[in-house]
Amino acid sequence: DSGVTQTPKHLITATGQRVTLRCSPRSGDLSVYWYQQSLDQGLQFLIQYYNGEERAKGNILERFSAQQFPDLHSELNLSSLELGDSALYFCASSVYSRDNEQFFGPGTRLTVL
Amino acid sequence: DAKTTQPPSMDCAEGRAANLPCNHSTISGNEYVYWYRQIHSQGPQYIIHGLKNNETNEMASLIITEDRKSSTLILPHATLRDTAVYYCIARGAGNNRKLIWGLGTSLAVNP
Repeated sequence: DSGVTQTPKHLITATGQRVTLRCSPRSGDLSVYWYQQSLDQGLQFLIQYYNGEERAKGNILERFSAQQFPDLHSELNLSSLELGDSALYFCASSVYSRDNEQFFGPGTRLTVL
Repeated sequence: DAKTTQPPSMDCAEGRAANLPCNHSTISGNEYVYWYRQIHSQGPQYIIHGLKNNETNEMASLIITEDRKSSTLILPHATLRDTAVYYCIARGAGNNRKLIWGLGTSLAVNP
């Protein structure tokens, strides 16, 4: 158990819909990272937040957005969903000064029908 | 960030050492080499990282060549639970915090 929690574990929705994925980092970790992993693909970095502020951006679509709240939990919002958005979405956290080691949550499996 | 190259798959007998190679010939001087593994769609797990010197922890050893163009992750006594996809990643130490993930090496530990 990494100490990072993600909800929900599974999500099934239809094209065009909007969903929110939630992540709670390990206690004391200030950085949160979001990744997308499609079937048989490597992890694609989406975005990083540190202490509530966006710190780095990867291959995140404009239909996707994220935020980190004062209590440090983070949400990833996915809108106008397409079939190709079906994937595992992982959240990871780290202590900023030691973010060479990221702790990953169990992931949310999103299925868009 | 330097691109890394790994063999797509490897086999190892249980109890033997698993040596997973990684090529990072374009690595720059301030880029660390990280290793993570992912067991069947679970969240990736950090294993070890290094810059120039060889590193060892309770999970594995990391051997980095002197020219830093390649490295090897060593699992000294592989068990069935070590069956996973192993990712080698090179990442700079600056403000760019992105980890660029490839497809990794799928290691099968056989009984």
